[in-house]
Amino acid sequence: GAVVSQHPSWVICKSGTSVKIECRSLDFQATTMFWYRQFPKQSLMLMATSNEGSKATYEQGVEKDKFLINHASLTLSTLTVTSAHPEDSSFYICSATAKREEYNEQFFGPGTRLTVL
Amino acid sequence: TQLLEQSPQFLSIQEGENLTVYCNSSSVFSSLQWYRQEPGEGPVLLVTVVTGGEVKKLKRLTFQFGDARKDSSLHITAAQPGDTGLYLCAGGWGNTPLVFGKGTRLSVIA
Repeated sequence: GAVVSQHPSWVICKSGTSVKIECRSLDFQATTMFWYRQFPKQSLMLMATSNEGSKATYEQGVEKDKFLINHASLTLSTLTVTSAHPEDSSFYICSATAKREEYNEQFFGPGTRLTVL
Repeated sequence: TQLLEQSPQFLSIQEGENLTVYCNSSSVFSSLQWYRQEPGEGPVLLVTVVTGGEVKKLKRLTFQFGDARKDSSLHITAAQPGDTGLYLCAGGWGNTPLVFGKGTRLSVIA
């Protein structure tokens, strides 16, 4: 299967600082990447859809100025949590879409655990 | 409205038992994917089914896509402790974001 990496795998930061998370598709090009947030013992919550070369599409209730997404190339998308607060602490996961003949498959990164003190 | 209903939500069984997880929807999907997630890690893709009635096997795991492409099931034979995890089904249409079920948290006790 296709490989997606995320960096960092975990980060601890002070309240008010910004944190950048990188998502890379290592062996395929992904025109579309997705960012999810996951709370303990819950399923994935889609935050935004990131398209290469264009603005991200955010889900209802997700602040675009708070969660900045940049998809600069076909293999890299970044999520920046600006002015982080403790309530932003969560597990953030990205996924990248690999095109197949008749359908698309999504492959997930290993996730980034963000803790805001 | 939850487009994909997954059941059961929680399942705790003894090693060696069989189990089935269901994923149901009123919507038709062009593809359906099953993932397994362990704590602190991202979901890992197990299988993608695209054809109505399709059956795929992955060792002790058997995946089936309903004839109408609205539902799917995952059957595990002779479960092992290593099968413990969160199983997620996700339905897709083309390049749109997957719709995820709430997941089935499986615990296999040795």
